[in-house]
Amino acid sequence: AQSVTQLDSQVPVFEEAPVELRCNYSSSVSVYLFWYVQYPNQGLQLLLKYLSGSTLVKGINGFEAEFNKSQTSFHLRKPSVHISDTAEYFCAVSDNQGGKLIFGQGTELSVKP
Amino acid sequence: SAVISQKPSRDICQRGTSLTIQCQVDSQVTMMFWYRQQPGQSLTLIATANQGSEATYESGFVIDKFPISRPNLTFSTLTVSNMSPEDSSIYLCSVRGGADNEQFFGPGTRLTVL
Repeated sequence: AQSVTQLDSQVPVFEEAPVELRCNYSSSVSVYLFWYVQYPNQGLQLLLKYLSGSTLVKGINGFEAEFNKSQTSFHLRKPSVHISDTAEYFCAVSDNQGGKLIFGQGTELSVKP
Repeated sequence: SAVISQKPSRDICQRGTSLTIQCQVDSQVTMMFWYRQQPGQSLTLIATANQGSEATYESGFVIDKFPISRPNLTFSTLTVSNMSPEDSSIYLCSVRGGADNEQFFGPGTRLTVL
């Protein structure tokens, strides 16, 4: 069985500061890894994904994530955040064969001026 | 990418009634998924709906409570039956598609049960 743990439920940061949102996963098979963002009162939007190849993945809005197989992690980073990055961020995993996503608990990123 | 629409976008319902949520996709997809997001919580998969077969429900969800239809490759419905306040959630439809088989989400249906 697969599982995802997001280690921080809330991350407050000041504008233009760097941020890292942590995600660890557990799986007995190869995985696809995803980060989604949910802005207030909106649906989920894909930020980035890791399928294979380069372990450093770049996504939209200046976000990037690094797949670390030995540490079973897929942390999300941004070097300088904006107020508009305030949202809920979800890490998710799926296996190569099936179609369903397993989500982490979510991390609320709050960017303050 | 896939464009997904859901109806209704939100509703307020009385305890004991049922609500059917519609999900429409702009392209044909094999796998459709229904998720629930309870207030302040993450997404939980309710069931997987493939066209031409019975939906597959996750642990804790049953067909009598959440019947699903999948009449064709672009449409699905989820019914929330005999509702109680605990069913107040956002219900999201999702599909897999595209070259990378990624998952796309609809805007969600925000349900409040009084």
